[in-house]
Amino acid sequence: DTAVSQTPKYLVTQMGNDKSIKCEQNLGHDTMYWYKQDSKKFLKIMFSYNNKELIINETVPNRFSPKSPDKAHLNLHINSLELGDSAVYFCASTRSATGGKANYGYTFGSGTRLTVV
Amino acid sequence: TQLLEQSPQFLSIQEGENLTVYCNSSSVFSSLQWYRQEPGEGPVLLVTVVTGGEVKKLKRLTFQFGDARKDSSLHITAAQTGDTGLYLCAGANQAGTALIFGKGTTLSVSS
Repeated sequence: DTAVSQTPKYLVTQMGNDKSIKCEQNLGHDTMYWYKQDSKKFLKIMFSYNNKELIINETVPNRFSPKSPDKAHLNLHINSLELGDSAVYFCASTRSATGGKANYGYTFGSGTRLTVV
Repeated sequence: TQLLEQSPQFLSIQEGENLTVYCNSSSVFSSLQWYRQEPGEGPVLLVTVVTGGEVKKLKRLTFQFGDARKDSSLHITAAQTGDTGLYLCAGANQAGTALIFGKGTTLSVSS
């Protein structure tokens, strides 16, 4: 039933570890995103994939590597975790924007709260 | 750089009161969207406004898009405790490839 599902919901790990977050959508959307929400609730775009192709790669450390095996899945792997990586990570999906107008609403997952200790 | 400024940042009111949240930018947007986020959940789309001057109503919520498509407002009439949450405005980046978000307005409605 869930439209955009992320796993895990919570992730507590030590500095230096490598971890992955998985995202799947069953809406038939062809564009997926990773957003990071900081402690002040600001949502910032990290990556965008359209039909498995990387479209947006914002200024994100190379330790973050997204992978989209197909248009329904977008995973995020993080190497050598740092304290500053602690945040809530949201996956989202939408229909493709056309003509430079992203008018379609996004459907978000319920987030993965990552805590690095 | 496109920025969306939201005000106020925090709002605490009593049930039954009216309130307005603002979303402003110096950039023109093809459309603006409003989302509500509850604790432990992702943002949920409330509305998309597309045409300058457009007004959309969703029960007690009224959304307006500025004539110049640089700003938007959300007005809630007779707020209820269930309206509590984080309200976010968002607009497409210049390439039209992703949404950029304002910093949000945290609304708390008490009975």
